[in-house]
Amino acid sequence: AQRVTQPEKLLSVFKGAPVELKCNYSYSGSPELFWYVQYSRQRLQLLLRHISRESIKGFTADLNKGETSFHLKKPFAQEEDSAMYYCALSSNGGSQGNLIFGKGTKLSVKP
Amino acid sequence: EAGVVQSPRYKIIEKKQPVAFWCNPISGHNTLYWYRQNLGQGPELLIRYENEEAVDDSQLPKDRFSAERLKGVDSTLKIQPAELGDSAVYLCASSGTSSYNEQFFGPGTRLTVL
Repeated sequence: AQRVTQPEKLLSVFKGAPVELKCNYSYSGSPELFWYVQYSRQRLQLLLRHISRESIKGFTADLNKGETSFHLKKPFAQEEDSAMYYCALSSNGGSQGNLIFGKGTKLSVKP
Repeated sequence: EAGVVQSPRYKIIEKKQPVAFWCNPISGHNTLYWYRQNLGQGPELLIRYENEEAVDDSQLPKDRFSAERLKGVDSTLKIQPAELGDSAVYLCASSGTSSYNEQFFGPGTRLTVL
């Protein structure tokens, strides 16, 4: 079965500390993985996707097929990073796949 | 660009009443999705449209839920009759051929069934 697991419901760190939001997936094919973010009172939006291999707002995520993981990392957290983060898997492949979301992790960055 | 528009933003109804949600996707986006997000959970797909065709409605509870996208643009999601367990946020998203899997989400409709 296709599934995305985010083991932490809440992650609290201090400003300037490193942060890692964990994501594990279960998928039988070649996965496409994404991180979506929802800031307070804003709509859900794409943060980054694994095929781009880019850094957005200082965040990076590497797809590890051996460990079936796609953890989101940032070396120095900022207060404005506080938000809900959702890991998502595209189930269809191709250009318009359905997304399977994890339950989300709430990141709180304290001053 | 206004982004994906949804209305209403909030809806409170009594159980067994009908309710409808409306979505206007980003102009030019052929693919439209309806998701349901329960409290403390991630969004779960209900139905996906490619233009006016529903290409994946396997997760739509068809006994009480229905959806349409008659002209391949706006879409309406209906629940009739609503149950207490339908309380959730209903999200609409759209994507285009040039956005390669990036889905653009609307603000959602928060439904409370009493």
